[in-house]
Amino acid sequence: EDQVTQSPEALRLQEGESSSLNCSYTVSGLRGLFWYRQDPGKGPEFLFTLYSAGEEKEKERLKATLTKKESFLHITAPKPEDSATYLCAVQKNTGFQKLVFGTGTRLLVSP
Amino acid sequence: DTEVTQTPKHLVMGMTNKKSLKCEQHMGHRAMYWYKQKAKKPPELMFVYSYEKLSINESVPSRFSPECPNSSLLNLHLHALQPEDSALYLCASSQAGGTEAFFGQGTRLTVV
Repeated sequence: EDQVTQSPEALRLQEGESSSLNCSYTVSGLRGLFWYRQDPGKGPEFLFTLYSAGEEKEKERLKATLTKKESFLHITAPKPEDSATYLCAVQKNTGFQKLVFGTGTRLLVSP
Repeated sequence: DTEVTQTPKHLVMGMTNKKSLKCEQHMGHRAMYWYKQKAKKPPELMFVYSYEKLSINESVPSRFSPECPNSSLLNLHLHALQPEDSALYLCASSQAGGTEAFFGQGTRLTVV
């Protein structure tokens, strides 16, 4: 059965305290993995797409990496405005329009 | 422009009402999606339109009726909803070949 697990469920950081969020997946035939950021009551905001193991993408304080079993979202020197829920979603080769979402990591960055 | 626009932002409706949610994108995307999201849960796929044709219906109750009038517009018609249908309804669009999806800001629906 396809499964996407995100950890931790919630993470509290001090401003400037770097950390990583994990997205583990078990799917047959990975086509792509997406990271989204979601603020309360808003729609998910697209961050990154990763297609193959070893790939890395960066944007400001965020860096996403992909292996054959998991993806990491590294947050370097976070700021309070980075507080949000971070979702990963996996896309399969078959039925690629149906994303399998993880349950998200709620990040709170305190000043 | 990576914007998907949803209206209204908030909607309160009674169980006997009929209402519609609207979604518009101008990115030239030919796949459009409706998702439902409950509090502290990930989005759940409801419908997918590809080239204006319904390609996926995730066994959604018939009180939800999608419509894709053209390649830029997507509607979700609501009728005889239940209180448990209260949720954030999200529209998204992507290239038809399945690249990243871009989401709208959602409609917060409350059924009373």
